[in-house]
Amino acid sequence: QQQVKQSPQSLIVQKGGIPIINCAYENTAFDYFPWYQQFPGKGPALLIAIRPDVSEKKEGRFTISFNKSAKQFSLHIMDSQPGDSATYFCAANGGGSNYKLTFGKGTLLTVNP
Amino acid sequence: GAGVSQSPSNKVTEKGKDVELRCDPISGHTALYWYRQSLGQGLEFLIYFQGNSAPDKSGLPSDRFSAERTGGSVSTLTIQRTQQEDSAVYLCASSSSWGSGDQETQYFGPGTRLLVL
Repeated sequence: QQQVKQSPQSLIVQKGGIPIINCAYENTAFDYFPWYQQFPGKGPALLIAIRPDVSEKKEGRFTISFNKSAKQFSLHIMDSQPGDSATYFCAANGGGSNYKLTFGKGTLLTVNP
Repeated sequence: GAGVSQSPSNKVTEKGKDVELRCDPISGHTALYWYRQSLGQGLEFLIYFQGNSAPDKSGLPSDRFSAERTGGSVSTLTIQRTQQEDSAVYLCASSSSWGSGDQETQYFGPGTRLLVL
């Protein structure tokens, strides 16, 4: 059972474009939704995170949009740069005392110069 | 300060052999997680340690997998009688204690790339 579904699997945009990566979840107990960025040969690094009590969060060029009723959230990268080329993972956890994350399968983003 | 470190960075082993993977969390972090990342897949939760509490082992795929955390710091993931399907990147993450305000942020190490021939 895949609790967090991520799309697309891969995405190619031109520099300056706005890639959008979407995730949908099933478990209504989830209450923390981070996005991680992973470069080849490196571990994932937290990019931005949101809780369901807000519909949008911005940090620099990265924005999360959250739709609680639809159980969906998305990552938007404004003015994308070649250095943003990486794999992006959405994730969710259920709070309480165990913060283990359930991850989507990842999106390989390529930003062409 | 130093981040999460893992060793070895790469491990090649023969089917049937046992392997040990090590994780050194960020100093002072009480929570430690192991995940597995297979090609084309997301990260799969394996096990979670929090302070002196009993670990959450619900993600371990079989009884060939075990992990321990000594002294509340370093952790070792052991895979016995390795199989080819165990080939993956094994990632360790740590986070700070409950109530710190940042307990949900998991900081990942670079991973150990395991190849079972």
